[in-house]
This record gives sequence, C-alpha cells and structure tokens, in this order.
Amino acid sequence: DIQMTQSPSSLSASMGDRVTITCRASQIISNNLNWYQQKPGKAPRLLIFDASNLEVGVPSRFSGGGSGTEFTLTITSLQREDFATYYCQQGYTTPYTFGQGTKLEIK
Amino acid sequence: QVQLVQSGAEVKKPGSSVRVSCKASGVSFSTHAFNWVRQAPGKGLEWMGGIIPISGTVIYAQQFQGRLTITTDDSTSTAYMDLSSLRSEDTAVYFCARDPRNLRYCSGNICFSKTWLDPWGQGTLVTVSS
Repeated sequence: DIQMTQSPSSLSASMGDRVTITCRASQIISNNLNWYQQKPGKAPRLLIFDASNLEVGVPSRFSGGGSGTEFTLTITSLQREDFATYYCQQGYTTPYTFGQGTKLEIK
Repeated sequence: QVQLVQSGAEVKKPGSSVRVSCKASGVSFSTHAFNWVRQAPGKGLEWMGGIIPISGTVIYAQQFQGRLTITTDDSTSTAYMDLSSLRSEDTAVYFCARDPRNLRYCSGNICFSKTWLDPWGQGTLVTVSS
C-alpha cells in the first residue's frame, strides 16, 4: 500500500496568515493527490483534486502543488472558517490511502 | 446538486453485522463508483472498498476481505455497506463517497484508479459494544 505522510500534524496560525501543509507519498503517484477539509462532526469536503485543481466553490485562497511524491496545500490569508483538519489522499491506485491529517488551530 | 444521504446511527453487539445505506439524488447513479470510508473516533480516514453499479465491479481493501460486502440497488439509487463479525475496533463513523467520473465504458479494478471522492455522505456512527 502507498503510505501518505503529512506534516505538520498540527499547526497554530492567526487569521490573515499564510500556511503550507506538505504531503509525501511512499512511491510516485503522478499528480493523483487530493486534499480534503474536515470540520468536527462533518464529512470531509473536497478542496483540490489532481494536485492543483480547485474544486468548484472552493475559495481561491486555497492552492495545491507538486507531483510525483511531494505535494503541498497552501492557504493564503487564513479566514476563521479555515480552521479545521486537512487530509491528503492518493487516488492513484487502490487501496486509496490518506495522510494522518493536519489540524489547523487558531493561535 | 448531487447529494448522498446515509442511514442513521447503529448500536451493535460484538459478533453481529451492520448495514449502512447511502441514497444518491441529483445524479446518474449507475455510472459512478461509490466508495466507503471509515473514521474511528479521533482518528484518520480509512478506505474500505467501492463498487461501480453499471459494471458490477466491486473492490475491497485487504483488511476487510471476507467481512465486508458492498452492493447497490439501482432502482432506488442506493449503495449498501454490510460489515459482519463486528468487534469494538469497528466503532467508527462510516462515510460513503462518490467518484465523480462517468465510468460507463470502464470495466475492472483499473476504473478505481486516478480519481478523487466527491461528494461525501453525512456519515453514520456505528457503535460496537456489549
């Protein structure tokens, strides 16, 4: 199975800050890397698919990059509603695997 | 607007089975893959398996082989997840999630490759306790 490693596991930031979350795959997954946002008690919400494509309705302050084994999710100008847990997921092959999550908290 | 609505919370005894349903609306049901993902309390996301109704292709994660059955009822646009021989470690929220690609002309496990999951159902809490 492909292992996905996210860093950091938690992150404290202030509103208006820019933050970057990194996701590494244990093998090459082309650009088949997706990012989800999850708030407590809710289902994950797709933010970015295929590494850099913004899902319809997702604010443009979210962006993704990378290919191969290293990927990033960047959020510019943090808003209150962005404080949540973020997961990367490889959709390259089954079993789909997820990173352990990055909890973004208000400083 | 695609929407996935799941059945309600369940409390089960160890050794029993559970069925969770996922009804799709606003979408062509049979040509999309439907996947099941679970999340234990305070933990991360774990993919369990998926199904493509139009081809009948089903795939399971190895750790669930023999205990997990995923089916669909195309007449009601509903996907089902049956998990048997429940143990306390199966206590989790179970989500269904759709592959947004049209897989009408795809067959086999390769159809599950190079994709993403959107949208997701609201989740169903399954508690396994004696």
